[in-house]
Amino acid sequence: GENVEQHPSTLSVQEGDSAVIKCTYSDSASNYFPWYKQELGKGPQLIIDIRSNVGEKKDQRIAVTLNKTAKHFSLHITETQPEDSAVYFCAASMGNFNKFYFGSGTKLNVKP
Amino acid sequence: GAVVSQHPSWVICKSGTSVKIECRSLDFQATTMFWYRQFPKQSLMLMATSNEGSKATYEQGVEKDKFLINHASLTLSTLTVTSAHPEDSSFYICSASRETGELFFGEGSRLTVL
Repeated sequence: GENVEQHPSTLSVQEGDSAVIKCTYSDSASNYFPWYKQELGKGPQLIIDIRSNVGEKKDQRIAVTLNKTAKHFSLHITETQPEDSAVYFCAASMGNFNKFYFGSGTKLNVKP
Repeated sequence: GAVVSQHPSWVICKSGTSVKIECRSLDFQATTMFWYRQFPKQSLMLMATSNEGSKATYEQGVEKDKFLINHASLTLSTLTVTSAHPEDSSFYICSASRETGELFFGEGSRLTVL
């Protein structure tokens, strides 16, 4: 089955700096890669996603890149703000209502 | 983004009782819903995949008689924790898959069994 690995497990940055979280996957059949933000005591919220036919996608301060050859994808957050502090999860799916495989999560702490 | 509503957000019950958690997709029809359990500071553990009108598919190690899942309509799935015990205390989260492939989560339900 698919295996998704996520690094780092914790990340501390100064407000205004950039943050990068990386994930790798094992199954080349995976074609959909979402990123979720989870605040304490809440369900994960979809913040950005990318499909295998695209190499990069950007939405304001967040961007995701995908390298299909190397089977890795990354989340980039620029100009971080304290409200970006949360746990971020990457995931991989083969689409068509198949299961999603999640990374182990990254706790991001943005220091004011 | 799409809205998935989960209720109740928290529940406290006595050991031996059953608890039902509802998950609704409010603005799209969800053929497939997933139920997860999350322990503190850990990732999401998939419990089962729920398909409308058919039996749920449980992950290995998840007791189907303990965690009853019903997906009676395209917008509603329920998880019933039967004969709950303190070790069932956890954060349970549902999610619904849209036909375009995106997965949206509910707000989660915190279950505490006394």
